[in-house]
Amino acid sequence: GQNIDQPTEMTATEGAIVQINCTYQTSGFNGLFWYQQHAGEAPTFLSYNVLDGLEEKGRFSSFLSRSKGYSYLLLKELQMKDSASYLCAVVSGGYNKLIFGAGTRLAVHP
Amino acid sequence: GAVVSQHPSWVICKSGTSVKIECRSLDFQATTMFWYRQFPKQSLMLMATSNEGSKATYEQGVEKDKFLINHASLTLSTLTVTSAHPEDSSFYICSASQGAAVGELFFGEGSRLTVL
Repeated sequence: GQNIDQPTEMTATEGAIVQINCTYQTSGFNGLFWYQQHAGEAPTFLSYNVLDGLEEKGRFSSFLSRSKGYSYLLLKELQMKDSASYLCAVVSGGYNKLIFGAGTRLAVHP
Repeated sequence: GAVVSQHPSWVICKSGTSVKIECRSLDFQATTMFWYRQFPKQSLMLMATSNEGSKATYEQGVEKDKFLINHASLTLSTLTVTSAHPEDSSFYICSASQGAAVGELFFGEGSRLTVL
C-alpha cells in the first residue's frame, strides 16, 4: 500500500527555523518532492530529492534517507509569507505519478 | 519555466449538469497529464493519469463514467464532471509532464467547482 505521513499542523515564530518531517511507505520510489501550497492556490515546487542527503536552496533545505523512508523540509529565517501548507509527495511509478501526503499547515507568528 | 493553464479557474453549476475543465500546456508538449482533486484542508488525491491519444488510467475508487478525461493533443487534456452533485464540489488541479524524466512536472492554477 501507499502511506505518507506528515504532522497536521505546526506553528513557529518569525525569524526562527522549522523542520517538517515526512515518512513514507510506498510500493515504488523514484524520488520525493516538497511543495508549498497557499489556500485556494495550486502547489508550487520547492525541492526534489532522489538520492540520500541534503539539498539546499536558499532558505529552504530538504533531506532524504531512502533506507529509513524519511525526509524533512527545513525552513530558515521564517517569514510571515511562509504560512502555508507544505506537501510531501513521493514519485511512485513512472511518468511522474505523485502520491501526496496530507500536508502540514504551518502558521508563522510575529 | 513551463506554464500549465487551467480553465475555468472557478465554476458554479446546478446539480445534474456537466462541467468541463481544460488543462493546457502553453509552451511545451505534455506527454502525460495528471488530474487531482483536493477537498478543503485535505491533500491532493490523484484521480487519473492521462496519456495523449490513449485512454486515461483511473485510480481506485474514481468513477470512469463520471469523470471523463480526454487527452486529444499533446497540449490539451480535459476533465468533464458528468451529472455533477454537491459532493463533487472540490478544487481540481492538473499537472503536466514534459517527458519521462522525473522532475519535469508542472501544475495548473486549479479549478474550483461548486455544485449547487
